[in-house]
Amino acid sequence: GDSVTQMEGPVTLSEEAFLTINCTYTATGYPSLFWYVQYPGEGLQLLLKATKADDKGSNKGFEATYRKETTSFHLEKGSVQVSDSAVYFCALSRQGGSEKLVFGKGTKLTVNP
Amino acid sequence: EAGVAQSPRYKIIEKRQSVAFWCNPISGHATLYWYQQILGQGPKLLIQFQNNGVVDDSQLPKDRFSAERLKGVDSTLKIQPAKLEDSAVYLCASSTPRGTSYNEQFFGPGTRLTVL
Repeated sequence: GDSVTQMEGPVTLSEEAFLTINCTYTATGYPSLFWYVQYPGEGLQLLLKATKADDKGSNKGFEATYRKETTSFHLEKGSVQVSDSAVYFCALSRQGGSEKLVFGKGTKLTVNP
Repeated sequence: EAGVAQSPRYKIIEKRQSVAFWCNPISGHATLYWYQQILGQGPKLLIQFQNNGVVDDSQLPKDRFSAERLKGVDSTLKIQPAKLEDSAVYLCASSTPRGTSYNEQFFGPGTRLTVL
């Protein structure tokens, strides 16, 4: 079945450091790919998404590119802030998001000032 | 626009007791999902409704879990009897119907269940 594997955490960075969180997937066909973020005490929020190969999703300085050849969707940010401290989940869905989301285990990011 | 509402936010019960969670999706959203998030893992879909019909309940432990969505609006998830391994956060999400241009799933704050 479909699955998502993402980098084990926790990840601790200093403010303004470069962030990469790796995500790879296994799925038949061409799923849509997502990054969700869960800030402390809050619900899951969509951070960015990509629906086809070579698409780049971006939001709040975060980016991820849908790489079909490597079945990857790595999350990057050039300069993290303390406010980016959260748990990040990579996910896929078969039908653009209306079908169930299959999530990775999550990566906890802590950014220190 | 009001978000997805869930209640209660926290619940502590003893094993073999029953418990129910309530979800009110965003107004007009036809699709409603219940996910289970065990500590240290990503959310896992339990059941998906389209209006008041079930689309996917393949991962719902039907011997103890049940869910309904009367009138295609709010929904209730029940566990009876609860086991220790049911301790988790139960997330409700909703989205717009298939065929629209934007099918983002919006999540509620979740209900944290502790089974002792």
